[in-house]
Amino acid sequence: SAVISQKPSRDICQRGTSLTIQCQVDSQVTMMFWYRQQPGQSLTLIATANQGSEATYESGFVIDKFPISRPNLTFSTLTVSNMSPEDSSIYLCSVGRSGTIYFGEGSWLTVV
Amino acid sequence: GIQVEQSPPDLILQEGANSTLRCNFSDSVNNLQWFHQNPWGQLINLFYIPSGTKQNGRLSATTVATERYSLLYISSSQTTDSGVYFCAVEPSGAGSYQLTFGKGTKLSVIP
Repeated sequence: SAVISQKPSRDICQRGTSLTIQCQVDSQVTMMFWYRQQPGQSLTLIATANQGSEATYESGFVIDKFPISRPNLTFSTLTVSNMSPEDSSIYLCSVGRSGTIYFGEGSWLTVV
Repeated sequence: GIQVEQSPPDLILQEGANSTLRCNFSDSVNNLQWFHQNPWGQLINLFYIPSGTKQNGRLSATTVATERYSLLYISSSQTTDSGVYFCAVEPSGAGSYQLTFGKGTKLSVIP
């Protein structure tokens, strides 16, 4: 299994501000993934974070809005920039190990 | 891109009943996983099952990759089984561990 810690677990943010979410994994992994889950919806992949290179973003997500850092093989951050109420979601990071995929507990963001 | 369809979208069961959840996908996949999201939002991996059948306690899953579907069986349901069940696939040709999710089946088990 994999132990994934996310911070913050919850936050209420003001419109127009930015928030950085941290994801820490218990052992080294090549790729880390960031997903968004809007209220009552399924999960959508935002981007893949590789250590030492730029993150790869999925269609509909851009680096200016969701900058990602990957400074080492156990840690990544996702920033949600210039937030609006539409950004209110659960943000989750995930990793894969031996075919199985594991998720962090999620970061619940509410933008007011 | 690949389409993942889950049915039914909503399901209400009496405690002790059995159920079958279905996941259809539109293209070949390297990986298929079933997750349970509890009411607190936590996603728990139930099965890694790109093909074949697996069982874990009251839960079992079967994937028929050639026919592009997977089934999740829940027997003797309990109130703690409530939540949303997601099927997620890793399309062939996509990066490893990149998942496309279905919309989920919301299960409510009532006492």
